[in-house]
Amino acid sequence: GAVVSQHPSRVICKSGTSVKIECRSLDFQATTMFWYRQFPKQSLMLMATSNEGSKATYEQGVEKDKFLINHASLTLSTLTVTSAHPEDSSFYICSASITGNYGYTFGSGTRLTVV
Amino acid sequence: QKEVEQNSGPLSVPEGAIASLNCTYSDRVSQSFFWYRQYSGKSPELIMSIYSNGDKEDGRFTAQLNKASQYVSLLIRDSQPSDSATYLCAVNSRAQKLVFGQGTRLTINP
Repeated sequence: GAVVSQHPSRVICKSGTSVKIECRSLDFQATTMFWYRQFPKQSLMLMATSNEGSKATYEQGVEKDKFLINHASLTLSTLTVTSAHPEDSSFYICSASITGNYGYTFGSGTRLTVV
Repeated sequence: QKEVEQNSGPLSVPEGAIASLNCTYSDRVSQSFFWYRQYSGKSPELIMSIYSNGDKEDGRFTAQLNKASQYVSLLIRDSQPSDSATYLCAVNSRAQKLVFGQGTRLTINP
């Protein structure tokens, strides 16, 4: 089955620093990957759609300069949280779909804590 | 109106009983519907997908879709304590993005 690997699973960083989260499709090529954020006891909120070889599409209200997305290959998308602040602390999850298939596979998520 | 709506619960069901989870969606052209299970602190995992009207069964799980009523449901038979989790309904939107409901917290009581 389709597997999406996300790394790191947990990260603690200081305010003002940047954090990079990686999302890899291990056994399939993903032209599109999605980045979600989830706050405690809330549902997943789509942040952006990452397209291989082109700019990401951000959802309304998501700062593109703060959440930098790079999708340089068909198997890797990265999310960089720049100048992180405590309010950026959240659970970040990526997902990918196999081209031509409506199924979506999720990574294991990254718990970001900004202190 | 939210694109995907669920009763947030919590829903409590005795062990061995049937748990019924409901979801409605607003976009009539939606074609793909998914149920995910999420344990606390973990990522969602796909339980069922359904694309056409009617029932789809997989083990103890049955997904039901009624496009005319814009309604999707998930039935869990012979509920087990390990089924206790948050269940997320998701719908594939026009832009091929997965839109989630707010989730229903299910507790199975031994």
